[in-house]
Amino acid sequence: QKEVEQDPGPLSVPEGAIVSLNCTYSNSAFQYFMWYRQYSRKGPELLMYTYSSGNKEDGRFTAQVDKSSKYISLFIRDSQPSDSATYLCAMRDGSGNTGKLIFGQGTTLQVKP
Amino acid sequence: NAGVTQTPKFRILKIGQSMTLQCTQDMNHNYMYWYRQDPGMGLKLIYYSVGAGITDKGEVPNGYNVSRSTTEDFPLRLELAAPSQTSVYFCASSPQAGQYGYTFGSGTRLTVV
Repeated sequence: QKEVEQDPGPLSVPEGAIVSLNCTYSNSAFQYFMWYRQYSRKGPELLMYTYSSGNKEDGRFTAQVDKSSKYISLFIRDSQPSDSATYLCAMRDGSGNTGKLIFGQGTTLQVKP
Repeated sequence: NAGVTQTPKFRILKIGQSMTLQCTQDMNHNYMYWYRQDPGMGLKLIYYSVGAGITDKGEVPNGYNVSRSTTEDFPLRLELAAPSQTSVYFCASSPQAGQYGYTFGSGTRLTVV
C-alpha cells in the first residue's frame, strides 16, 4: 500500500465548476500537508500548505485536512482554463529534521472553456 | 531572483555514459533535494541534504551520487547510465525542514538510449 494515494484522473470540468481534488494517506504521523500545481513540462509550484487538521483558504483555493479520516482535499472555485494542470499533494511527519516530503502521484485536471 | 536553477534542461545519454545534473539556488536554503518523476508515478526522492557537507539517501538512490560542498550547489551524478534512469529530474530547496514546502527548479529531462 502506498503511503499517499491520489487518483490520477484525468478530471475534466467545464469552466466555472467547483473542483474537488483528494488524497488519502496511511501514516498517522503526517502533520504537514501541501498542494502543488504543475503545468506541463514545468516544475511543481507550491499552492498551499496546512498544518494538522482544519481548513485554509486562499482566493479561489481551499485546502482541507481531516486527520481522523486520513484524507485531504483541495477545492477550486470558479475554475478557469488556466487551472488546467496536474495537482500533487505532499505531506511529511511532524518530527525529524530531514524535510522529506511524500508525494501523491498527481491528478491531471482539464478545465474546458 | 533566480530561485532554483537546473542545467541542462534536456539531455540524451547513451547506455554506460555518465553525466552530472547541476542544481544551484540563490535563496540561502539549507535543505536541498533531488527527485525523479516518471509518468503516473509521482515524485520519488533520490538524495537530500540538510546542509553543506551533509547528504543522505532517499527512496531510490541506486545509480546516483551527490555532493554538497557549498550551500548553493547540489549536483547529482549519474554513473553508467541505464534506460531505467530515463526520467525528469527535479531539484528543490527549502529554508526549513519542509514544513512550508519546497521551491522546485524547472527540471532536467533525461533520456538514456
